[in-house]
Amino acid sequence: DAGVTQSPTHLIKTRGQHVTLRCSPISGHKSVSWYQQVLGQGPQFIFQYYEKEERGRGNFPDRFSARQFPNYSSELNVNALLLGDSALYLCASSLEGLSAASYEQYFGPGTRLTVT
Amino acid sequence: AQTVTQSQPEMSVQEAETVTLSCTYDTSESDYYLFWYKQPPSRQMILVIRQEAYKQQNATENRFSVNFQKAAKSFSLKISDSQLGDAAMYFCAYRSDQGAQKLVFGQGTRLTINP
Repeated sequence: DAGVTQSPTHLIKTRGQHVTLRCSPISGHKSVSWYQQVLGQGPQFIFQYYEKEERGRGNFPDRFSARQFPNYSSELNVNALLLGDSALYLCASSLEGLSAASYEQYFGPGTRLTVT
Repeated sequence: AQTVTQSQPEMSVQEAETVTLSCTYDTSESDYYLFWYKQPPSRQMILVIRQEAYKQQNATENRFSVNFQKAAKSFSLKISDSQLGDAAMYFCAYRSDQGAQKLVFGQGTRLTINP
């Protein structure tokens, strides 16, 4: 089975521009979460979506938004890009069922965003 | 808010030997989950092992095992018979049993395996 996929792999944008990152979860997984990983640090939680509803949001400005589609894929949008938005953006999916194992999050390879 | 601390930025071990990575966390919750993830240079975050807080028995996955001390809020990872492929960044992560599936990560420990 295919794992979590993300596109694009790399992206270079200019300050002030807008970017859209895409994520496809593992087949059957209904939950998608987004994380930002700045170089040399651990990932920081941005959003979680479950069944197309926002379930949680991290401490990020309103320039960051996301949505989940009926097929459970997801987009992360960032407006008015700043140099500090340069990071690896990770998407993770999970099944969410009755067992503890169903809450395990499986990560995609990430999108490397560079803002110049 | 929960926090996770990994006090060892870097560790190294000889191939075939055993190494232990440390992690402490802070929470007021009684039910939660703890994880160790591995991130090799390829960037893909890979789940290594999971521990439920309500379980007293330490989790084990092949060469990987944890020492979970709930009262001390400590969650260390032991890697036995270290292999070259174990070289990576290792992140400890916490997830609450309530609300959003938010993982709170530590700063990571870079593990080097010496041949």
